[in-house]
Amino acid sequence: AQSVTQPDIHITVSEGASLELRCNYSYGATPYLFWYVQSPGQGLQLLLKYFSGDTLVQGIKGFEAEFKRSQSSFNLRKPSVHWSDAAEYFCAVDAGGYQKVTFGTGTKLQVIP
Amino acid sequence: GAVVSQHPSWVICKSGTSVKIECRSLDFQATTMFWYRQFPKQSLMLMATSNEGSKATYEQGVEKDKFLINHASLTLSTLTVTSAHPEDSSFYICSATSTGLWDEQFFGPGTRLTVL
Repeated sequence: AQSVTQPDIHITVSEGASLELRCNYSYGATPYLFWYVQSPGQGLQLLLKYFSGDTLVQGIKGFEAEFKRSQSSFNLRKPSVHWSDAAEYFCAVDAGGYQKVTFGTGTKLQVIP
Repeated sequence: GAVVSQHPSWVICKSGTSVKIECRSLDFQATTMFWYRQFPKQSLMLMATSNEGSKATYEQGVEKDKFLINHASLTLSTLTVTSAHPEDSSFYICSATSTGLWDEQFFGPGTRLTVL
C-alpha cells in the first residue's frame, strides 16, 4: 500500500528565507505526486503535481518540487518565503488512478518577520 | 474555473440528530466526488468515493449506514451524518474531479461539524 511521510510537523522560517518541506513516499512504482496548501478553515489548493517527465516541477506561488526516485522523495521548495505562505502543507500520492489519494500528515509553516 | 463549494461551512447539532452537508461543483460536471474527514492537527482521511448515479464506495472502517452519501447529479453530492455523536465532530472536506480534468481533484472549503 502507498504511504506518505512528512517528517516535519512544524517549521518556522523568517520572511525572505528559503524553505524546504520534506516528503517521502512508499510505493513500488512511480506514483503521481502532489503538494497541497491549506490555509486555516479553508479547503486544499493544489500547488503542483508530478506525473512523469522533468523531475523538477514548477508550481504556483513560486513553489517548486523535485522528484528523486532514488530517495523516494518529493520535497517542496521556495527560495524566498512570504508571510502569506504561512499555512499547512500536505504532500499526497496517488498510486495511479486518481481514485485513492493518500495524504501525509502535513507540515505547518510559520513565517516570522 | 473548477470551483467546489460546500454548505454549510459550519454546523452545530445535538447528539442523536442527523446533519446533511452539500458539496457542489459550480462550473464543471463532477463525475466523481470524494469525501474526506480531517481531525485536528491530522491529515485528511478518505471516507468514500462517489460516482454520479452509483452507490458510493466506502473506505475500510467507515460505516456506510452512519455516513450516507448521495451523488444524484453531476454537480451535487451530499453527506448525511446520521444519529451524530460527539465523536463525529470533525472537519469534512469534499473534492470533485471530472473525466475532462482527470489529473486534479478540486477541493471544497470544508464543513466544520460540532456535535454537542
